[in-house]
Amino acid sequence: QSVLTQPPSVSAAPGQKVTISCSGSNSNIGNNYVSWYQQFPGTAPKVVIYDNNQRPSGIPDRFSGSKSGTSATLAITGLRSVDEADYYCGTWDGSLRDKVFGGGTKVTVL
Amino acid sequence: QIQLVQSGPEMKKPGDLVTVSCKASNYTFTSHGISWVRQAPGQGLEWMGWISAYNGNIHYGQNFQDRVTMTIDSSTNTVYMQLRSLRSDDTAVYYCAREWTGKNPYFHMDVWGKGTTVTVSS
Repeated sequence: QSVLTQPPSVSAAPGQKVTISCSGSNSNIGNNYVSWYQQFPGTAPKVVIYDNNQRPSGIPDRFSGSKSGTSATLAITGLRSVDEADYYCGTWDGSLRDKVFGGGTKVTVL
Repeated sequence: QIQLVQSGPEMKKPGDLVTVSCKASNYTFTSHGISWVRQAPGQGLEWMGWISAYNGNIHYGQNFQDRVTMTIDSSTNTVYMQLRSLRSDDTAVYYCAREWTGKNPYFHMDVWGKGTTVTVSS
């Protein structure tokens, strides 16, 4: 059971938009920065959003992040087949004194 | 380019100990920390702990603090993660990842190693 809650899967047609929610509590999302990681099968995760809404260099602006209260959201607009991957949210939990993740969301491009 | 190169796959028996290494290159090693994250087959990410190359501080995750040891060899920019009393459910891919800062593990991990597969089976 993950500390952060994500939907197991989301899907949309090419060119459309998907959003992935990440729900937590005051001890984690509510008081810490959220990052999002993209993972393709058999490869290491890669950060696509950090500090709630910042994109590392090289990440297309189709990826955006936001946070409100104890929830965060990753949005992917102009969906492409190359975006098919698993996405994980992560943050620090001040009560557990652990870095925590969501269970992951599989994005499927129809 | 910035790299974290991990040691090769390991096959272990229940009760054994495993050590995985992570050699950093092409960045200022002492400006960052290294976290270890594992992923069991078909499962999500699980944080194991963090060691700072900045000040030597260590913080182990709650689920691992009685079985894991993390060390640094600053002469070779290499971090080691040792997991003891292995069980079959420790079978996973173990990743090292560079923390954005060396002062704490509160932020994001911006560079990842390719992972080391550890298989625990009798």
